[in-house]
Amino acid sequence: GQNIDQPTEMTATEGAIVQINCTYQTSGFNGLFWYQQHAGEAPTFLSYNVLDGLEEKGRFSSFLSRSKGYSYLLLKELQMKDSASYLCAATDSNYQLIWGAGTKLIIKP
Amino acid sequence: DAMVIQNPRYQVTQFGKPVTLSCSQTLNHNVMYWYQQKSSQAPKLLFHYYDKDFNNEADTPDNFQSRRPNTSFCFLDIRSPGLGDAAMYLCATSGTSGGSYNEQFFGPGTRLTVL
Repeated sequence: GQNIDQPTEMTATEGAIVQINCTYQTSGFNGLFWYQQHAGEAPTFLSYNVLDGLEEKGRFSSFLSRSKGYSYLLLKELQMKDSASYLCAATDSNYQLIWGAGTKLIIKP
Repeated sequence: DAMVIQNPRYQVTQFGKPVTLSCSQTLNHNVMYWYQQKSSQAPKLLFHYYDKDFNNEADTPDNFQSRRPNTSFCFLDIRSPGLGDAAMYLCATSGTSGGSYNEQFFGPGTRLTVL
């Protein structure tokens, strides 16, 4: 079956760095997305990886290893506004998104 | 600004009373999706349209129907809402259904409460 695993909740301190991991099993693979979702709001796009390696975009970076079925989202210089859920979603052979349940990130002062 | 709009943002209905949620987009995307998301869960795809072609997920209950009268609009009809249908309903669009990077753009969602 198809499956996405990511931690349910993480806590980090303002100004620090946090890494949110995601492992996936899909029928075929056509890339992996990370979305940010604040409570009660819609998901917003953060990153897309289809090739192995690290993609950096400001304070956020995303890494992919296709051979390991593994990705992570790295958030640097954490701000209070980064408190949100972070959803990992892999694209299968039919280009459908398989979603994880999200990692709730709590930032403490 | 190009966007995905959902109305209403909050909808309260009674058990068994039909309800319709609407979504419109100014992105001119050919693919539109409806998701159901319950608290602390992954979004669950209900169905999607590729242009006028309707694609229903196998486990989407018959209680959920959809209409797409034109490129810009898509509706979700819940014929007889049950208490278990209380959730956030998300509409999303993308520029193509396959063969390329297809980031999905989400509307703000409609939170449905069933009394």
